Amino acid sequence: QVTLRESGPALVKPTQTLTLTCTFSGFSLSTSGMCVSWIRQPPGKALEWLARIDWDDDKYYSTSLKTRLTISKDTSKNQVVLTMTNMDPVDTATYYCARTGTTGKIDYWGQGTLVSVSS
Amino acid sequence: QSALTQPPSASGSPGQSVTISCTGTSSDVGGYNYVSWYQQHPGKAPKLMIYEVSKRPSGVPDRFSGSKSGHTASLTVSGLQAEDEADYYCSSYAGSNNPYVFGTGTKVTVL
Repeated sequence: QVTLRESGPALVKPTQTLTLTCTFSGFSLSTSGMCVSWIRQPPGKALEWLARIDWDDDKYYSTSLKTRLTISKDTSKNQVVLTMTNMDPVDTATYYCARTGTTGKIDYWGQGTLVSVSS
Repeated sequence: QSALTQPPSASGSPGQSVTISCTGTSSDVGGYNYVSWYQQHPGKAPKLMIYEVSKRPSGVPDRFSGSKSGHTASLTVSGLQAEDEADYYCSSYAGSNNPYVFGTGTKVTVL
């Protein structure tokens, strides 16, 4: 059974750095073809893909956010970490981690974690 | 990378069919057979309903079907049921450097 769970602060201040952790089970990120992505959704708005890390440690970032994002993995802990610098109120959103494929299929999602950015 | 274009809303009565379009470009929908569709109920995480244009994951009813023509993909929900009322998002592979682009979302209402 594949599960993913996001954890991190519910509230961050503008200009601060957000660090989110995805803890997963039911698959291994050392298995060929496995990837984990972060996706966010502002309240009432559409989904936006942020970043992906692959089993071979290849990393991909949203073109519009790549200067602010860093994704990493700890295979032994079954965790993926996303950091986003210089947070702004427009970054207020529910952040999801998800198991993804190399060609777009996102088959398992975490429950999401709401992050608010406010002073 | 611009979002894929979906109609904001669609509706149908129970038992009827509804079709949602998802329009992209040659760099995404038109360039690859890697379109996915997700269903999202309020306050819940999205759920994969269709992948690779027309494939259904195990457990998804065959009332849900997908297709693609040129730069436009479509999701059809046949035999609408009350539980189908949700937001639906398409997504397409868009190349190795920016692998995922989502649609703008469509709210499906069962009348």
